[in-house]
Formats: sequence, structure tokens, C-alpha cells
Amino acid sequence: DTGVSQNPRHKITKRGQNVTFRCDPISEHNRLYWYRQTLGQGPEFLTYFQNEAQLEKSRLLSDRFSAERPKGSFSTLEIQRTEQGDSAMYLCASSQRGTGGGYTFGSGTRLTVV
Amino acid sequence: DAKTTQPPSMDCAEGRAANLPCNHSTISGNEYVYWYRQIHSQGPQYIIHGLKNNETNEMASLIITEDRKSSTLILPHATLRDTAVYYCIDVAGGADGLTFGKGTHLIIQP
Repeated sequence: DTGVSQNPRHKITKRGQNVTFRCDPISEHNRLYWYRQTLGQGPEFLTYFQNEAQLEKSRLLSDRFSAERPKGSFSTLEIQRTEQGDSAMYLCASSQRGTGGGYTFGSGTRLTVV
Repeated sequence: DAKTTQPPSMDCAEGRAANLPCNHSTISGNEYVYWYRQIHSQGPQYIIHGLKNNETNEMASLIITEDRKSSTLILPHATLRDTAVYYCIDVAGGADGLTFGKGTHLIIQP
């Protein structure tokens, strides 16, 4: 297992377009998290899954954002009608329930909305 | 919002020990102290964590004061590759997410 994989690494899109990112967690991890990070700030929590169930969503996750984790394996994060303020690094992390705060992060997808 | 307080930046000479402080003024009894770092253009990387006792692993040492209101991450022999943003986070057992602050930008000088 090579860790948490995110695709694509970079995405440039025009304002108003839809984008989708993918995260493949470590296979034995049942928890998966999405974070967003803007320049000069620490990562901000967006949402998390335990297996296929989405258990918590931050108020940062507006109606234009949707995340799925079908079958409890990989996850996708979709942003509809992108805005310039959506430009950020989107990070995925996974962990095994019961291991506390020891998460493994991917390298992120950098989104630029022009 | 993040519950911990860290200096925004620090410098350290290559080969010397880097000591990164963190204040945990509101830490509660069931919260662990976690440290992560983030190298430019990468995701955060777990370093070490502890509850009350000092901890050491292959990456670093963690010193937690007796009252648990502050901690220090020690990189014993800093290298240029240790240049990164370092985050300390209070994490409750069974927590559902990490709350990051802005961290400390550690710059290792050659």
C-alpha cells in the first residue's frame, strides 16, 4: 500500500464549471476525511466518513459541495458551479477508528478557479 | 477554531536541536497532544503524540509539562529537509477530526 492517493494533483477550471476529485485511502482504514487549505492557513475540516456513512459535515461545506464514499472504499468530492473562492488545496486523510488523531494524509489536489 | 498557540515562525541552524513550543491553555483531561508537520506542497505528516508522559520516536521527542498546559517538540539534529510548518493539536480520544491552527513555520538555515 502506497498511502493515501489523490487525483488529480492539480486542476484549473473556469468559474461556473463542476469539478470532481478522487481520494483512495489506505485500504484497511475505515475513516476518511476531507480538508481544505488556503494559502497561509492550516487545513480546515470539511467532512468525514466512517465506511460508507458520511457522519459529519462542516458548515464550510456549502450546498455546492458533495462528497461520497460508495462501498466504503475510495471517495469523491464534487464542487458544482465553482467560484474563485473555491481555489484551495483539497486534502484527503484516512485513519482506522480507535487510533485517535493519527491520520495519514494524501498530497492533495490543488484547485485554481479562473 | 484551534485551541493551541504557537509562534508563527522560528529559525534553527542545521545540525542543531530545534525546539518548537506550543501552549495548550484549555486542554482537557482526555485530550492528547499531537504534532504534525507539512512540507511545502505536501499533505500534513504525523510526527508524534502523547498524553502526560514524554515520548520519543525516530522522528522527534515530545516534552509535555506536568500541568499539560505546554509542550515542546524537539528535533534533535535538524536538517534542511525539516523545513516545514509544524502544527500542535489537542485531540480528544475518539475525536472525529483534527482542528489545525496556523502552526509554526520552521526554517532550517544551512
